[in-house]
Amino acid sequence: AQSVSQHNHHVILSEAASLELGCNYSYGGTVNLFWYVQYPGQHLQLLLKYFSGDPLVKGIKGFEAEFIKSKFSFNLRKPSVQWSDTAEYFCAVNVNQGGKLIFGQGTELSVKP
Amino acid sequence: DVKVTQSSRYLVKRTGEKVFLECVQDMDHENMFWYRQDPGLGLRLIYFSYDVKMKEKGDIPEGYSVSREKKERFSLILESASTNQTSMYLCASSDSSGPYEQYFGPGTRLTVT
Repeated sequence: AQSVSQHNHHVILSEAASLELGCNYSYGGTVNLFWYVQYPGQHLQLLLKYFSGDPLVKGIKGFEAEFIKSKFSFNLRKPSVQWSDTAEYFCAVNVNQGGKLIFGQGTELSVKP
Repeated sequence: DVKVTQSSRYLVKRTGEKVFLECVQDMDHENMFWYRQDPGLGLRLIYFSYDVKMKEKGDIPEGYSVSREKKERFSLILESASTNQTSMYLCASSDSSGPYEQYFGPGTRLTVT
């Protein structure tokens, strides 16, 4: 069965530190890839998505992610985090073009001011 | 802007009660989804629907049923609530064409006592 793995369950950083959150999926075919964010008390919202073209995609709030097909990875990055980036981050994959997404377990990011 | 609304933000029910969670979307999306979100487990798909009166089981359908009588509305039903169904329930919708980005409601935190 297809799966999505996020390696870090809880990441703690100081403001201005760089961020990289790992995401790997298990599927050899065509995929659409997503990162969602859930700020405390808020609903999930889309950070960025990849479905074709340039494997380096940029999203909102300075986030970016790189799709590396050979590594089945879609890691999320931000050069300099802010306290307001404290949230839970979810990676998700669409594998069968039918609308279902498979979500990772989530990574909780805490940014210390 | 896509808007997905859920009938309650917080709900407290007793064991054995029948529980209805309602979700409405305003973007004419064909696809609708119900998830439950638990710490460390990410989002797990309960049921989804590709069209009115259509439903398919997700990964954890036991103890739940759904109803989709109108395109904009997707209901989740707990026939006889149990304490292990205490969780955050998220509704989402998406278009039927790719890349299948899902839009989420604010969630309903259900406590079964």
